[in-house]
Amino acid sequence: GQSLEQPSEVTAVEGAIVQINCTYQTSGFYGLSWYQQHDGGAPTFLSYNALDGLEETGRFSSFLSRSDSYGYLLLQELQMKDSASYFCAALNSGGYQKVTFGTGTKLQVIP
Amino acid sequence: DAGITQSPRHKVTETGTPVTLRCHQTENHRYMYWYRQDPGHGLRLIHYSYGVKDTDKGEVSDGYSVSRSKTEDFLLTLESATSSQTSVYFCAIGQGPEEQYFGPGTRLTVT
Repeated sequence: GQSLEQPSEVTAVEGAIVQINCTYQTSGFYGLSWYQQHDGGAPTFLSYNALDGLEETGRFSSFLSRSDSYGYLLLQELQMKDSASYFCAALNSGGYQKVTFGTGTKLQVIP
Repeated sequence: DAGITQSPRHKVTETGTPVTLRCHQTENHRYMYWYRQDPGHGLRLIHYSYGVKDTDKGEVSDGYSVSRSKTEDFLLTLESATSSQTSVYFCAIGQGPEEQYFGPGTRLTVT
């Protein structure tokens, strides 16, 4: 089956940099997406990596290494509003594409 | 933001009753998904659709059925609700599975 592993909780200081890791074991891996979800809200799309390397979008960057079955989300210049849960999601190819989400990492940004 | 709505937003129902949740989009996106979110499990795919009348099962499809008779509507039905189906249900849409836009969610309680 498919499984993704993320740390359950991470705490970081405002203004700092934090990295949220995601390791995956999926068949027919196609790519890795990242989503942010604030408490009580809906997930929102952050980034997608289909190829190895770093994708940068403002303060957020996402990295993928297919050979290591590993990816991470990098948040720079942390702000209090970045306190949220972050989910990685693996796309599995083969016929019709399905998506498997990790269990999420709760990020707490402290002053 | 993507035009996606869910109805109802909150529902309390009794065990054994049928329940239908509706997802409506105005973006003409091909893919539509139903997820459930429970503490400790992240987002789990129930069913998804890749076109009108084209649907497939996700990882937790038992006890659920779906229908998509129009591009804009994707219905999730619990034929006979059970307490284990108490959850928050999210609908998502996308032109492709790698970038999904989520609705506001439906909080369902089965008593």
